[in-house]
Amino acid sequence: DSGVTQTPKHLITATGQRVTLRCSPRSGDLSVYWYQQSLDQGLQFLIHYYNGEERAKGNILERFSAQQFPDLHSELNLSSLELGDSALYFCASSATMGYGETQYFGPGTRLLVL
Amino acid sequence: GESVGLHLPTLSVQEGDNSIINCAYSNSASDYFIWYKQESGKGPQFIIDIRSNMDKRQGQRVTVLLNKTVKHLSLQIAATQPGDSAVYFCAEGEYGNKLVFGAGTILRVKS
Repeated sequence: DSGVTQTPKHLITATGQRVTLRCSPRSGDLSVYWYQQSLDQGLQFLIHYYNGEERAKGNILERFSAQQFPDLHSELNLSSLELGDSALYFCASSATMGYGETQYFGPGTRLLVL
Repeated sequence: GESVGLHLPTLSVQEGDNSIINCAYSNSASDYFIWYKQESGKGPQFIIDIRSNMDKRQGQRVTVLLNKTVKHLSLQIAATQPGDSAVYFCAEGEYGNKLVFGAGTILRVKS
């Protein structure tokens, strides 16, 4: 158990809908990262938040957004969902700003868009 | 763009043998490297890391080797066990930048 929690574990929804994925980092960790993992790709970095501020953006679509709250938990919002958004979404956390730090991953949210 | 790793090759080893998983990276400025293990249905789990000022680092049953000249990283697992069966990812990082993950290598351990 990494100490990172994610909810929900599974999510089934329809195209065009909007969902919110939630992540609680390890106790004391200030950075939260979001990743997408689909069958035909490896882990794709989406976005990094540090202490409530966006720090880096990766391959995140404009239909997706995220935020990190004062209590350091984070939410990833996916809107206008498409079939191709079906994937595993992982959250990871690290102690500080991220350089040279191990990222500890949560168990993931499996999203299925029908 | 920059990329790390291979396209999900599979390595099959006999239980008790040593395993070597390889990873090529393309960003010569990367100075931090990590190996992760991902079991089916679970999130990636940290195994071992190494900084660019080192060539070798050992953990419990695992060793990571870094060859900066040819931009190559390897993970050696001693006395491979069935519980080692998983997908292994290498990742690289550079100061101020995100980690970039490879596609992964499947390790299958035969009993």
